[in-house]
Amino acid sequence: QSVLTQPPSASGTPGQRVTISCSGSSSNIGNSAVNWYQQFPGTAPKLLIYSDNQRPSGVPDRFSGSKSGTSASLAISGLQSEDEADYYCSAWDDSLNGGVFGGGTKLTVL
Amino acid sequence: EVQLVESGGGLVQSGGSLRLSCAASGFRFRSYAMSWVRQAPGKGLEWVAYIKYDGSEKYYVDSVKGRFTISRDNAKNSLSLQMNSLRAEDTAVYYCARDRPGSTSGTSYWGQGTLVTVTS
Repeated sequence: QSVLTQPPSASGTPGQRVTISCSGSSSNIGNSAVNWYQQFPGTAPKLLIYSDNQRPSGVPDRFSGSKSGTSASLAISGLQSEDEADYYCSAWDDSLNGGVFGGGTKLTVL
Repeated sequence: EVQLVESGGGLVQSGGSLRLSCAASGFRFRSYAMSWVRQAPGKGLEWVAYIKYDGSEKYYVDSVKGRFTISRDNAKNSLSLQMNSLRAEDTAVYYCARDRPGSTSGTSYWGQGTLVTVTS
């Protein structure tokens, strides 16, 4: 049972806009920056969004992040087949004094 | 180019010990906090431990407290994870990661991971 809650799966067709939610509490998302990671099978996760809505250099602007209260979202617009991957949200939890991740969302491009 | 290369994984019996290492290059290691994150086969990511840039603060997930110890050697650009009293549920790929979950710096970077398998 992950501290942050994500839907296990999401899907969309090429060109569509897809959003992935991440729900937490006041001790983590409500009081911490949220980061999002993208992971392809057999590879290490890669930072996609940091500080709720910032993109590292090299990440396409099709990817965007937002946060409101104790929930965060990752949006992918203009969906492409190469976006098919697992996506994880993460934050710091002040009550646990540690990092927390969502359970991950497997994105399928139909 | 930033590189994080983990080593030390392998097969170990339940109750045994293992020491993971992470060799860092391509950035000023002594300026960054570091973490270990693991991923059990077919499962999601789990943060394991964090160490501040100067080693003055360390935090662990509850399930490894008292069994795992994170450390660093800034002179050797090296991060370590000493794992004792290993259990089957510690079986996972262990990633060395620059920075920590929830960081605002945007500098997170992960190594390719090393597999730890604990047999009963």
